Amino acid sequence: SQQGEEDPQALSIQEGENATMNCSYKTSINNLQWYRQNSGRGLVHLILIRSNEREKHSGRLRVTLDTSKKSSSLLITASRAADTASYFCATWASYGKLTFGQGTILTVHP
Amino acid sequence: DVKVTQSSRYLVKRTGEKVFLECVQDMDHENMFWYRQDPGLGLRLIYFSYDVKMKEKGDIPEGYSVSREKKERFSLILESASTNQTSMYLCASRETGGREKLFFGSGTQLSVL
Repeated sequence: SQQGEEDPQALSIQEGENATMNCSYKTSINNLQWYRQNSGRGLVHLILIRSNEREKHSGRLRVTLDTSKKSSSLLITASRAADTASYFCATWASYGKLTFGQGTILTVHP
Repeated sequence: DVKVTQSSRYLVKRTGEKVFLECVQDMDHENMFWYRQDPGLGLRLIYFSYDVKMKEKGDIPEGYSVSREKKERFSLILESASTNQTSMYLCASRETGGREKLFFGSGTQLSVL
């Protein structure tokens, strides 16, 4: 079973709007990561948040982590058409295994 | 920049063929991984390797084997390809020194007919 589960499965918005994706996980973590995948390509690391952090920013990305609820959210502000992609959260479920959720498909309409 | 190169972008094979998927990274990373990605199932870990000649099973190793003879190269082998192995295969490497993020190749879309 997947350690991380994203919600929603798909999100469709207009350029300029904000996009929020959520991730829930099951076991204790040291950190949680978010990756992006353009259609038919490999994944690219976006941001990592450690278990002792509550919020982290990188450009237009804002990630929050609530370890009490075992959940994280990724906010993309002022979305652009180029942000259209799938977004995955990932955690190290056990030594050597980075486990991914099923992802959120984001479509940003120009 | 780290580069993870997968030898083929698209591959078409016949049922029963032996298939080799090659992955090379250029940053001296110790850890390397093979995932497969299927619609509705996300990414699933097939095998990973801590170092040369070392390998560990992931969540779905059945029907696959791996080889890591050199640090930079991690090969995934389908001994006898089957149609249910049609999938996108993604190779990744991990920064050395306990860092957490993975670097992915562009993927190989394998079709087994």
